[in-house]
Amino acid sequence: AQKITQTQPGMFVQEKEAVTLDCTYDTSDQSYGLFWYKQPSSGEMIFLIYQGSYDEQNATEGRYSLNFQKARKSANLVISASQLGDSAMYFCAMRESLTGGGNKLTFGTGTQLKVEL
Amino acid sequence: AAGVIQSPRHLIKEKRETATLKCYPIPRHDTVYWYQQGPGQDPQFLISFYEKMQSDKGSIPDRFSAQQFSDYHSELNMSSLELGDSALYFCASSKRLGPLVRETQYFGPGTRLLVL
Repeated sequence: AQKITQTQPGMFVQEKEAVTLDCTYDTSDQSYGLFWYKQPSSGEMIFLIYQGSYDEQNATEGRYSLNFQKARKSANLVISASQLGDSAMYFCAMRESLTGGGNKLTFGTGTQLKVEL
Repeated sequence: AAGVIQSPRHLIKEKRETATLKCYPIPRHDTVYWYQQGPGQDPQFLISFYEKMQSDKGSIPDRFSAQQFSDYHSELNMSSLELGDSALYFCASSKRLGPLVRETQYFGPGTRLLVL
């Protein structure tokens, strides 16, 4: 079974600073996908960034980048130039292929990020 | 861009009542997923549909059932509600592309169910 570990229950960062949210994973699959989602206090789940196991380059999406270290099985999210609106819960998730041909997402326990002035 | 629509956004029910949650996927998406997120928990996969057929089941109680209709919208039916069913229920949709290709699930805003 796949497993996602987020070891930081909560993080604080000053506005305009960069912050790294940790994520490690465990899988025996050769092909897998890693996702980061943001969940503000309002509850919606917002897709941020994706990294495929075969992608040679680290993924980037605006202020979000993914520090993918395949040998260490880590996929840390880096948020640059933090903004107050970045305060939210952040989930790392792994795509797991299912017998029916689809996929499900297995989530970590999340990291609550608080951006301070 | 169009997003996943879920209704209702909030629902309050009594124990042993039934509830129906609706999900309208992003246009041209062929796969729908349902997740349950308990208070302070991470989302857990319940069930998925591909092209109107049930694709996979996760930790969905027998009291729950779901289906996907011809217009691709999906409904999650919950009966004999229990206090522990209080949670945020997400629907997500995607376009199935194959096992080695990126498939991103886009989540709806969720339905917050409270069972009293």
